Amino acid sequence: KAGVTQTPRYLIKTRGQQVTLSCSPISGHRSVSWYQQTPGQGLQFLFEYFSETQRNKGNFPGRFSGRQFSNSRSEMNVSTLELGDSALYLCASSLGERGEQYFGPGTRLTVT
Amino acid sequence: AQSVAQPEDQVNVAEGNPLTVKCTYSVSGNPYLFWYVQYPNRGLQFLLKYITGDNLVKGSYGFEAEFNKSQTSFHLKKPSALVSDSALYFCAVKFHSGAGSYQLTFGKGTKLSVIP
Repeated sequence: KAGVTQTPRYLIKTRGQQVTLSCSPISGHRSVSWYQQTPGQGLQFLFEYFSETQRNKGNFPGRFSGRQFSNSRSEMNVSTLELGDSALYLCASSLGERGEQYFGPGTRLTVT
Repeated sequence: AQSVAQPEDQVNVAEGNPLTVKCTYSVSGNPYLFWYVQYPNRGLQFLLKYITGDNLVKGSYGFEAEFNKSQTSFHLKKPSALVSDSALYFCAVKFHSGAGSYQLTFGKGTKLSVIP
């Protein structure tokens, strides 16, 4: 089975712009979660989608949003980018509540 | 509040020696516990998990972890370290966050360096 894929792998944006990141989960996985990883804050949970519905949301401002499509692919959007949004954004998919999450390689976002 | 602690930012061990990476947790109810490893510029790779049953869990690449309910710990171990084990290790706990949803919370990570 193909693993979790994320596109693009690298992005450079300017403050104030918006960005959309994409994630394709492992085939058959209906749960997709997003995380932000930074050296200072570590891995922080952004949100989780299951069957096109957001089931859970972390403590991030409303500038961070996401959605999931009927084929389980997911996108996250960050509007009005700030320098502090520079991070590695990781997507993970899983089968169910007891299952482990499988992570994609991440999208490295740099905001200048 | 649900939390995971990895008390050591860095662990250094000589190649061939046993290694331990520590993890303690605080969660109400029965926890689902996980270990992940991250190599530079890569995503996280799943190593092993504890859901229920035997307290000693065996995982990928020769790693194992012991669930200790009384000490609320889930330490990662390997009998003989390899240089290729050098990486960033994350402990995580999955807990029920309501409405049928489960959330995965990670520790800060421990950098393991295996010295040749």
